[in-house]
Amino acid sequence: DSGVTQTPKHLITATGQRVTLRCSPRSGDLSVYWYQQSLDQGLQFLIQYYNGEERAKGNILERFSAQQFPDLHSELNLSSLELGDSALYFCASSVEAAVYNEQFFGPGTRLTVL
Amino acid sequence: SQQGEEDPQALSIQEGENATMNCSYKTSINNLQWYRQNSGRGLVHLILIRSNEREKHSGRLRVTLDTSKKSSSLLITASRAADTASYFCATPLGDKLIFGTGTRLQVFP
Repeated sequence: DSGVTQTPKHLITATGQRVTLRCSPRSGDLSVYWYQQSLDQGLQFLIQYYNGEERAKGNILERFSAQQFPDLHSELNLSSLELGDSALYFCASSVEAAVYNEQFFGPGTRLTVL
Repeated sequence: SQQGEEDPQALSIQEGENATMNCSYKTSINNLQWYRQNSGRGLVHLILIRSNEREKHSGRLRVTLDTSKKSSSLLITASRAADTASYFCATPLGDKLIFGTGTRLQVFP
């Protein structure tokens, strides 16, 4: 158990819908990262927050947004969902902001868009 | 294209054998990390090797880094069925940690 929690574990929804994925980092970690893992794209970095502020942005679509709240939990919002958004979404956390530190991954949310 | 690419893409061995997987990357790095992912689950950090290190050990894991060739290898000795998983290298690229394509390791009892 990494100490990172993600909810829900599974999510099934229809095209055009909007969903919210939630992540709670390990106690004491200030950085939260979001990743998308699909069979064709592999593990792709989406976005990083550090202590409430956006710190780095990767291959995140405009339809996707995220935020980190004062209690350090984070939410990833996915809207106008398409079939191709079906994937595993992982949250990870680390103590510091720098990406060369070890990251602790949550169990993931499996999103299925029908 | 990926910053890190693992080779081979898949590897099947018997319990007790050693497993070696390689990672090549494109740009200069200050460290390289290896992660393991059991099927459909979150990644688990295995080991971090810094650019000024050539070799590092952790239990049955041995990692080497050759910065001149921009490559790293992960050796798992005396493999077990429980080692069955995908293994990824990860390298910092700017302000992002970029994961390779992964090696799927199958260890048969």
